[in-house]
Amino acid sequence: NAGVTQTPKFQVLKTGQSMTLQCAQDMNHNSMYWYRQDPGMGLRLIYYSASEGTTDKGEVPNGYNVSRLNKREFSLRLESAAPSQTSVYFCASTHGAYEQYFGPGTRLTVT
Amino acid sequence: ELKVEQNPLFLSMQEGKNYTIYCNYSTTSDRLYWYRQDPGKSLESLFVLLSNGAVKQEGRLMASLDTKARLSTLHITAAVHDLSATYFCAVDTTGNQFYFGTGTSLTVIP
Repeated sequence: NAGVTQTPKFQVLKTGQSMTLQCAQDMNHNSMYWYRQDPGMGLRLIYYSASEGTTDKGEVPNGYNVSRLNKREFSLRLESAAPSQTSVYFCASTHGAYEQYFGPGTRLTVT
Repeated sequence: ELKVEQNPLFLSMQEGKNYTIYCNYSTTSDRLYWYRQDPGKSLESLFVLLSNGAVKQEGRLMASLDTKARLSTLHITAAVHDLSATYFCAVDTTGNQFYFGTGTSLTVIP
């Protein structure tokens, strides 16, 4: 039981490049989330998926797209990376009104 | 938009002392969560508080929720070095949108 896994762990992009962050969970959770964490700002929700086939915007969705590929997988895409997207990205999952389980994070630097 | 405020933002405390971290939020909710994050690591769930008056305890940490006051507290009893970490509260109003506080960075010194 791996919980929530994320790939890659680290990534450096040049401005304008694109990339996809992958997330998978093996806990049969319905809901999945993408957050970014910046110093002094806590975690901010980018997008979430309440169930397979649905996605919704969170607090800071601009510059990102998501895909809920199936119940296990939820990917986050940066179409044209900008330095302001330098951050640590966390994926999380949950089932109902219970705690979220977080992945190990992806540290992204955009130069 | 829901606002979640934690205070203090930074806390340096001596081993053996007691202290409380406060989490205030701006919109009605009866679901509040506490997480711990060690430097360079992911978040780990500590407590889930799902009703007014809920109190949970684990070791030297105790969390409570007052939904009328829109306030949760995380009380630390007789702090030890292992408790040094950043603590976040998070509030959920819709079942799917979680709003996090900015975190309290706790350092326990001998």
